[in-house]
Amino acid sequence: ILNVEQSPQSLHVQEGDSTNFTCSFPSSNFYALHWYRWETAKSPEALFVMTLNGDEKKKGRISATLNTKEGYSYLYIKGSQPEDSATYLCAFIKGTGRRALTFGSGTRLQVQP
Amino acid sequence: NAGVTQTPKFQVLKTGQSMTLQCAQDMNHEYMSWYRQDPGMGLRLIHYSVGAGITDQGEVPNGYNVSRSTTEDFPLRLLSAAPSQTSVYFCASSPRSGGGYTFGSGTRLTVV
Repeated sequence: ILNVEQSPQSLHVQEGDSTNFTCSFPSSNFYALHWYRWETAKSPEALFVMTLNGDEKKKGRISATLNTKEGYSYLYIKGSQPEDSATYLCAFIKGTGRRALTFGSGTRLQVQP
Repeated sequence: NAGVTQTPKFQVLKTGQSMTLQCAQDMNHEYMSWYRQDPGMGLRLIHYSVGAGITDQGEVPNGYNVSRSTTEDFPLRLLSAAPSQTSVYFCASSPRSGGGYTFGSGTRLTVV
């Protein structure tokens, strides 16, 4: 079983704060790393798909970086807004065998107005 | 464009009953997967498929069967429901070319 770990488990920040989360994954047999945003009572939605070491992706105030050699990815949110409140999931796809996602347990973000 | 459609949204079963959770996608995606979501456990892979006629087991396959006779449909069968299968089930699909998975809205299953 692949070990995908996310930290912290939960985070409470004030509106306007910037924050970041960590995802660690096996550094061998890497194929791709995904980030998803999961709002309460909805389904997970893809934020980023990252495949190359050193990848940096950005969507509005949210960005992500990838280090495949050491097995970690960071997700950054700049100037958090209440609508950013959600659980952020990372998911790993290994380079051999199945191409399905192995998820971490997520970081739950609460942004207070 | 409906995306990934799961039915039913809610279901209550008695222990020992069988049922099929339906999943259909209209995006011509090759990859489809079933996950279950339990408190504190995150999303765990039950079964997945890389194309019609091809399926494989995930992390927690026991008690579940799948088949993939068409690209569009990927039903999940519970053969003899157990209380441990109480969970929220998500179906997801992705194109073979890469890109993020699209998730269905989930099925909340309770086994009593």
